[in-house]
Amino acid sequence: EAEVAQSPRYKITEKSQAVAFWCDPISGHATLYWYRQILGQGPELLVQFQDESVVDDSQLPKDRFSAERLKGVDSTLKIQPAELGDSAMYLCASSSGPRETQYFGPGTRLLVL
Amino acid sequence: KQEVTQIPAALSVPEGENLVLNCSFTDSAIYNLQWFRQDPGKGLTSLLLIQSSQREQTSGRLNASLDKSSGRSTLYIAASQPGDSATYLCAVRYSSASKIIFGSGTRLSIRP
Repeated sequence: EAEVAQSPRYKITEKSQAVAFWCDPISGHATLYWYRQILGQGPELLVQFQDESVVDDSQLPKDRFSAERLKGVDSTLKIQPAELGDSAMYLCASSSGPRETQYFGPGTRLLVL
Repeated sequence: KQEVTQIPAALSVPEGENLVLNCSFTDSAIYNLQWFRQDPGKGLTSLLLIQSSQREQTSGRLNASLDKSSGRSTLYIAASQPGDSATYLCAVRYSSASKIIFGSGTRLSIRP
């Protein structure tokens, strides 16, 4: 069964350092999402791609976060510099279209010290 | 502000019991509603998706209902098993072009 892949699974970094997360969606899925989930809360959308284009990044802290999906397949989310409040689970999801069921990867758990 | 609320935050029941998880939303004009399951430290798995024109969806021991007029959805789990222990999240899409808004989830524990 096709799955969304994410790496790394865990990341510990010090504040002010740069971190990057990678996501490989299910093959053929045009829509890709990055979510942030703080412990005890539901996921919050950071950015949504349709192919290689950003369609929603209204909740992305653009002063420190960036996301790209250059060839419309895999995607990278970067934080520079990391802050203590960035400690969370970062989830990637993909779907065949913007209104279709989303399939989630296992997530990357980030701890900023 | 469009919000999704799930109460209680945590629930513990003995194995074999039937149970209901609740989800409420602030705007009745929704596009669809989805229930997800999340195991500790893992990603989300979609359980059931209800379109705005539907009243309920069933999958195995799970049944989800939707009442737009009251702004509520329930997830019914029949004959609960220890393997059902997880966090259950409700998510609402308010229009075909909008993002999904998640509730904070109900952490369910089934006692053997």
